[in-house]
Amino acid sequence: DTGVSQDPRHKITKRGQNVTFRCDPISEHNRLYWYRQTLGQGPEFLTYFQNEAQLEKSRLLSDRFSAERPKGSFSTLEIQRTEQGDSAMYLCASSLAGGQRGQETQYFGPGTRLLVL
Amino acid sequence: GQSLEQPSEVTAVEGAIVQINCTYQTSGFYGLSWYQQHDGGAPTFLSYNGLDGLEETGRFSSFLSRSDSYGYLLLQELQMKDSASYFCAVRPRDDKIIFGKGTRLHILP
Repeated sequence: DTGVSQDPRHKITKRGQNVTFRCDPISEHNRLYWYRQTLGQGPEFLTYFQNEAQLEKSRLLSDRFSAERPKGSFSTLEIQRTEQGDSAMYLCASSLAGGQRGQETQYFGPGTRLLVL
Repeated sequence: GQSLEQPSEVTAVEGAIVQINCTYQTSGFYGLSWYQQHDGGAPTFLSYNGLDGLEETGRFSSFLSRSDSYGYLLLQELQMKDSASYFCAVRPRDDKIIFGKGTRLHILP
C-alpha cells in the first residue's frame, strides 16, 4: 500500500490555459474524491466517483471543471480556461465503501498546488 | 444551507487536555468525522461518530449529540506534534461531504 499519490505536486500556469491533474488512489479503493482547499479553509467537495461512475458533483463546480475515472482506477481533473480564482490546493482522497454507511475513512493524497498567474 | 462551525484557533499547554467543538446546521447525515492536517500536509483521519456518544481512540476521543447538533474532539496528554489544524466533517445523504473551516491548535511548552 503506497497510499494516494497525485501528480504534479505543483503547477504554475497563466490565466486562460488548461491544466490537468492526476490522482492514483489506493489500489483496492472503489471511491475517489476531489476537493479544493484554499488557505485557512477546510477542503471543499468538488466531485466523487464510485468505481468509474461519477456520482455527485458540487453545484459550485463550473463547466470549466471536468473529472474522469475511466477504468475505475486513476482519475484526472481538468480545469479549462483557468482563472486566478482557481488558485488553490487540489486534494484527492480515496476510500473503500461498504459496511456501515458513512463510516468510510478517506485517505488523502499530498495535493496539487495550483497557481494561476 | 448546510454548514459546520468550529473555533478558528485554540491554544493549550503541553500535557493538558483540549476540546475542539463543532456545531452544525445540516439535516440528515450519516455521521461526523474528524481530520488532522499539519501545515503543508494532507488531512488524515482521526475519528468517526455514526451514533450519539463518545468514541475513544488512544489519546483522542470524539463525541456526537444529534439532538444538540453538536460534536467535539477531545485531545488528551497534548504533545507538541499535535499542533495542527483540526477539521470536523459530515457526510450528508447526498454524499457531498462538508468540512468545517478548521481549528488551528497551538500548543505551548
